[in-house]
Amino acid sequence: DSGVTQTPKHLITATGQRVTLRCSPRSGDLSVYWYQQSLDQGLQFLIHYYNGEERAKGNILERFSAQQFPDLHSELNLSSLELGDSALYFCASSLRAGDPDTQYFGPGTRLTVL
Amino acid sequence: LAKTTQPISMDSYEGQEVNITCSHNNIATNDYITWYQQFPSQGPRFIIQGYKTKVTNEVASLFIPADRKSSTLSLPRVSLSDTAVYYCLSLSGNTGKLIFGQGTTLQVKP
Repeated sequence: DSGVTQTPKHLITATGQRVTLRCSPRSGDLSVYWYQQSLDQGLQFLIHYYNGEERAKGNILERFSAQQFPDLHSELNLSSLELGDSALYFCASSLRAGDPDTQYFGPGTRLTVL
Repeated sequence: LAKTTQPISMDSYEGQEVNITCSHNNIATNDYITWYQQFPSQGPRFIIQGYKTKVTNEVASLFIPADRKSSTLSLPRVSLSDTAVYYCLSLSGNTGKLIFGQGTTLQVKP
Protein backbone atom coordinates (compact mmCIF):
# COMPACT_ATOMS: atom_id res chain seq x y z
CA ASP A 1 0.00 0.00 0.00
CA SER A 2 1.58 3.26 -1.20
CA GLY A 3 -0.55 5.48 1.00
CA VAL A 4 -2.09 7.21 -2.04
CA THR A 5 -5.81 6.69 -2.44
CA GLN A 6 -7.88 7.11 -5.55
CA THR A 7 -11.63 7.01 -5.98
CA PRO A 8 -13.53 5.53 -7.61
CA LYS A 9 -11.73 2.32 -8.58
CA HIS A 10 -13.92 1.83 -11.62
CA LEU A 11 -16.06 4.21 -13.60
CA ILE A 12 -18.28 3.38 -16.55
CA THR A 13 -19.92 6.21 -18.41
CA ALA A 14 -21.12 7.27 -21.84
CA THR A 15 -19.62 9.47 -24.51
CA GLY A 16 -20.22 13.16 -23.97
CA GLN A 17 -20.42 12.83 -20.20
CA ARG A 18 -18.23 14.43 -17.54
CA VAL A 19 -16.53 12.64 -14.66
CA THR A 20 -14.36 13.58 -11.70
CA LEU A 21 -11.54 11.44 -10.40
CA ARG A 22 -10.22 12.03 -6.92
CA CYS A 23 -6.80 11.53 -5.40
CA SER A 24 -5.60 11.82 -1.81
CA PRO A 25 -1.81 12.00 -1.51
CA ARG A 26 0.32 10.38 1.16
CA SER A 27 0.38 12.26 4.41
CA GLY A 28 2.97 15.04 4.19
CA ASP A 29 3.36 14.95 0.41
CA LEU A 30 2.87 18.28 -1.32
CA SER A 31 3.07 17.21 -4.97
CA VAL A 32 0.38 15.41 -6.92
CA TYR A 33 0.85 14.09 -10.45
CA TRP A 34 -1.76 12.71 -12.83
CA TYR A 35 -1.05 10.11 -15.51
CA GLN A 36 -3.10 8.35 -18.15
CA GLN A 37 -2.28 4.77 -19.11
CA SER A 38 -3.83 3.23 -22.18
CA LEU A 39 -2.81 0.13 -24.09
CA ASP A 40 -1.47 1.97 -27.11
CA GLN A 41 0.01 5.04 -25.40
CA GLY A 42 1.69 3.71 -22.29
CA LEU A 43 2.04 6.02 -19.28
CA GLN A 44 1.40 9.61 -20.27
CA PHE A 45 2.07 12.48 -17.92
CA LEU A 46 -0.90 14.83 -17.69
CA ILE A 47 -0.24 17.45 -15.03
CA HIS A 48 1.69 18.21 -11.83
CA TYR A 49 0.55 20.28 -8.85
CA TYR A 50 2.66 21.37 -5.93
CA ASN A 51 1.06 22.78 -2.80
CA GLY A 52 -2.00 23.93 -4.70
CA GLU A 53 -0.25 25.42 -7.71
CA GLU A 54 0.16 24.00 -11.18
CA ARG A 55 3.85 23.23 -11.85
CA ALA A 56 3.91 21.46 -15.20
CA LYS A 57 1.58 20.31 -17.91
CA GLY A 58 2.04 17.32 -20.12
CA ASN A 59 -0.19 16.01 -22.86
CA ILE A 60 -3.39 17.03 -21.15
CA LEU A 61 -6.34 17.68 -23.44
CA GLU A 62 -8.29 20.92 -23.16
CA ARG A 63 -11.34 18.83 -22.21
CA PHE A 64 -9.45 17.76 -19.08
CA SER A 65 -8.72 19.94 -16.08
CA ALA A 66 -7.35 19.41 -12.63
CA GLN A 67 -6.85 21.18 -9.37
CA GLN A 68 -5.27 20.65 -6.00
CA PHE A 69 -7.18 21.83 -2.97
CA PRO A 70 -5.90 23.42 0.27
CA ASP A 71 -6.06 20.02 2.00
CA LEU A 72 -3.77 18.80 -0.84
CA HIS A 73 -6.19 16.32 -2.35
CA SER A 74 -6.58 16.63 -6.09
CA GLU A 75 -9.31 16.13 -8.63
CA LEU A 76 -9.06 15.42 -12.34
CA ASN A 77 -12.09 16.46 -14.34
CA LEU A 78 -12.73 14.86 -17.71
CA SER A 79 -15.47 16.32 -19.87
CA SER A 80 -17.07 15.65 -23.25
CA LEU A 81 -15.78 12.13 -22.92
CA GLU A 82 -14.83 10.16 -26.01
CA LEU A 83 -14.26 6.45 -26.49
CA GLY A 84 -10.52 7.07 -26.66
CA ASP A 85 -10.52 8.45 -23.13
CA SER A 86 -11.03 4.93 -21.80
CA ALA A 87 -7.89 4.22 -19.80
CA LEU A 88 -6.37 3.76 -16.37
CA TYR A 89 -5.79 7.07 -14.64
CA PHE A 90 -3.14 7.13 -11.95
CA CYS A 91 -2.24 9.79 -9.53
CA ALA A 92 1.05 9.86 -7.69
CA SER A 93 2.32 11.97 -4.85
CA SER A 94 5.75 13.03 -3.68
CA LEU A 95 7.20 15.12 -0.93
CA ARG A 96 8.79 17.82 -3.08
CA ALA A 97 8.43 19.35 -6.51
CA GLY A 98 11.88 18.57 -7.85
CA ASP A 99 14.59 15.95 -7.95
CA PRO A 100 15.65 13.89 -6.22
CA ASP A 101 12.24 12.68 -5.28
CA THR A 102 10.17 9.49 -5.31
CA GLN A 103 6.66 9.34 -6.65
CA TYR A 104 4.22 7.01 -4.92
CA PHE A 105 1.42 5.84 -7.16
CA GLY A 106 -2.15 5.14 -6.24
CA PRO A 107 -4.05 2.04 -7.39
CA GLY A 108 -5.63 3.91 -10.29
CA THR A 109 -9.13 4.58 -11.57
CA ARG A 110 -10.23 2.52 -14.54
CA LEU A 111 -12.44 4.63 -16.79
CA THR A 112 -14.56 2.97 -19.43
CA VAL A 113 -16.39 5.19 -21.91
CA LEU A 114 -19.14 3.42 -23.83
CA LEU B 1 10.93 16.24 -29.37
CA ALA B 2 11.93 14.59 -26.12
CA LYS B 3 11.78 10.84 -26.19
CA THR B 4 12.68 8.06 -23.80
CA THR B 5 13.22 4.71 -25.49
CA GLN B 6 13.53 1.22 -24.07
CA PRO B 7 13.08 -2.31 -25.45
CA ILE B 8 9.50 -3.51 -25.59
CA SER B 9 10.18 -6.93 -24.09
CA MET B 10 12.86 -9.19 -22.65
CA ASP B 11 12.97 -12.81 -21.57
CA SER B 12 15.15 -14.24 -18.85
CA TYR B 13 15.48 -17.29 -16.61
CA GLU B 14 15.41 -17.48 -12.86
CA GLY B 15 18.76 -16.70 -11.28
CA GLN B 16 20.09 -14.69 -14.19
CA GLU B 17 21.08 -11.04 -14.17
CA VAL B 18 18.89 -8.81 -16.32
CA ASN B 19 19.96 -5.47 -17.76
CA ILE B 20 17.39 -3.10 -19.25
CA THR B 21 18.66 0.00 -21.03
CA CYS B 22 16.79 3.23 -21.62
CA SER B 23 17.89 6.06 -23.87
CA HIS B 24 17.07 9.58 -22.68
CA ASN B 25 16.88 12.00 -25.54
CA ASN B 26 16.94 15.63 -24.34
CA ILE B 27 17.09 14.85 -20.65
CA ALA B 28 17.16 17.88 -18.38
CA THR B 29 20.62 18.89 -17.14
CA ASN B 30 19.79 18.49 -13.48
CA ASP B 31 17.21 15.74 -13.74
CA TYR B 32 17.47 12.41 -12.02
CA ILE B 33 16.62 9.17 -13.81
CA THR B 34 14.12 6.94 -12.07
CA TRP B 35 12.97 3.39 -12.73
CA TYR B 36 9.60 1.94 -11.79
CA GLN B 37 8.12 -1.55 -11.75
CA GLN B 38 4.50 -2.23 -12.57
CA PHE B 39 2.43 -5.37 -12.09
CA PRO B 40 -0.90 -5.85 -13.88
CA SER B 41 -3.71 -3.67 -12.54
CA GLN B 42 -1.43 -1.92 -10.06
CA GLY B 43 0.24 1.46 -9.97
CA PRO B 44 3.95 1.69 -10.76
CA ARG B 45 6.30 1.16 -7.83
CA PHE B 46 9.63 2.94 -7.32
CA ILE B 47 12.73 0.79 -7.80
CA ILE B 48 15.75 3.07 -7.97
CA GLN B 49 16.87 6.59 -8.83
CA GLY B 50 20.19 8.12 -9.83
CA TYR B 51 21.90 11.12 -11.39
CA LYS B 52 25.20 9.75 -12.66
CA THR B 53 27.64 6.82 -12.37
CA LYS B 54 26.28 3.95 -10.32
CA VAL B 55 23.64 3.60 -7.64
CA THR B 56 22.80 0.38 -5.83
CA ASN B 57 20.05 -0.52 -3.42
CA GLU B 58 18.71 -3.77 -2.02
CA VAL B 59 16.87 -4.72 -5.21
CA ALA B 60 18.72 -3.22 -8.17
CA SER B 61 21.61 -1.22 -9.56
CA LEU B 62 21.44 1.72 -11.89
CA PHE B 63 24.25 2.67 -14.25
CA ILE B 64 24.32 6.11 -15.85
CA PRO B 65 27.19 7.07 -18.17
CA ALA B 66 28.86 10.46 -18.06
CA ASP B 67 26.84 11.87 -20.95
CA ARG B 68 23.61 10.77 -19.21
CA LYS B 69 21.97 9.97 -22.53
CA SER B 70 21.13 6.47 -21.35
CA SER B 71 20.65 4.46 -18.19
CA THR B 72 20.77 0.75 -17.45
CA LEU B 73 18.71 -0.96 -14.78
CA SER B 74 20.37 -4.11 -13.53
CA LEU B 75 18.36 -6.76 -11.67
CA PRO B 76 20.61 -9.39 -10.10
CA ARG B 77 19.42 -13.00 -9.95
CA VAL B 78 15.83 -12.47 -11.06
CA SER B 79 13.00 -14.65 -9.80
CA LEU B 80 9.56 -15.43 -11.21
CA SER B 81 8.11 -12.61 -9.10
CA ASP B 82 10.20 -10.09 -11.06
CA THR B 83 7.99 -10.68 -14.09
CA ALA B 84 6.56 -7.21 -14.63
CA VAL B 85 6.79 -4.11 -16.79
CA TYR B 86 9.73 -1.81 -16.09
CA TYR B 87 9.63 1.89 -16.90
CA CYS B 88 12.31 4.55 -16.97
CA LEU B 89 11.32 8.12 -16.18
CA SER B 90 13.09 11.40 -16.74
CA LEU B 91 12.33 15.08 -17.10
CA SER B 92 12.25 16.58 -20.56
CA GLY B 93 14.63 19.52 -20.95
CA ASN B 94 13.48 22.39 -18.78
CA THR B 95 9.78 22.00 -19.53
CA GLY B 96 8.89 20.18 -16.37
CA LYS B 97 7.27 17.46 -18.48
CA LEU B 98 7.83 13.97 -17.16
CA ILE B 99 8.55 11.41 -19.83
CA PHE B 100 8.08 7.69 -19.26
CA GLY B 101 9.64 5.17 -21.58
CA GLN B 102 7.17 2.86 -23.27
CA GLY B 103 7.95 0.12 -20.77
CA THR B 104 9.87 -3.15 -21.01
CA THR B 105 7.90 -6.29 -20.29
CA LEU B 106 10.23 -8.70 -18.52
CA GLN B 107 9.21 -12.33 -18.56
CA VAL B 108 11.16 -14.53 -16.15
CA LYS B 109 10.95 -18.24 -16.90
CA PRO B 110 11.67 -21.12 -14.54
